[in-house]
Amino acid sequence: GQQLNQSPQSMFIQEGEDVSMNCTSSSIFNTWLWYKQDPGEGPVLLIALYKAGELTSNGRLTAQFGITRKDSFLNISASIPSDVGIYFCAGQLIGGANNLFFGTGTRLTVIP
Amino acid sequence: NAGVTQTPKFQVLKTGQSMTLQCAQDMNHNSMYWYRQDPGMGLRLIYYSASEGTTDKGEVPNGYNVSRLNKREFSLRLESAAPSQTSVYFCASSAVVDYEQYFGPGTRLTVT
Repeated sequence: GQQLNQSPQSMFIQEGEDVSMNCTSSSIFNTWLWYKQDPGEGPVLLIALYKAGELTSNGRLTAQFGITRKDSFLNISASIPSDVGIYFCAGQLIGGANNLFFGTGTRLTVIP
Repeated sequence: NAGVTQTPKFQVLKTGQSMTLQCAQDMNHNSMYWYRQDPGMGLRLIYYSASEGTTDKGEVPNGYNVSRLNKREFSLRLESAAPSQTSVYFCASSAVVDYEQYFGPGTRLTVT
């Protein structure tokens, strides 16, 4: 399968700090999605990106579709305890069938 | 509106036993998917169904079969379970056009 490199693997931050994470690939994607997964639950869609250069926000979350189509970034501003969880990026290949390829996740811990 | 539902939530099997994981969605989506999630591996696609009446292999189909029973339901069958199939299984659905996939809560399967 396609390799998506997601970094960092884990983060420990203080409540109120901003967070940045990213996802890179050697392949060109035409869609980037960001999901959050809480323990024992399924991934929940946070942001979807469809155009190179696109910048999209969802509350305190902002994600960008990289110009090269090979990367994407997610920022969380003013973190709060409920931001704790695992964040996954997912990319869909140009010309690919109905499937997405997922990164290995960034585990976020917020210290109150 | 329950979204994507999965049954059972937990299951323990002995090697060689068979079972079927059930998935249903009430969002009138055309496409449905089965993933497995293993530690450090992210989510990997097992099978998908682009539309009612069609199914296709994903990245890791060996040892599994699927049935798209109708537009709402997509089941995953393990004919002869193996310890390597111990994992968390997620069903997802999407309207074909926009590729935003919505996930169920998962089934945690242990094969001893």
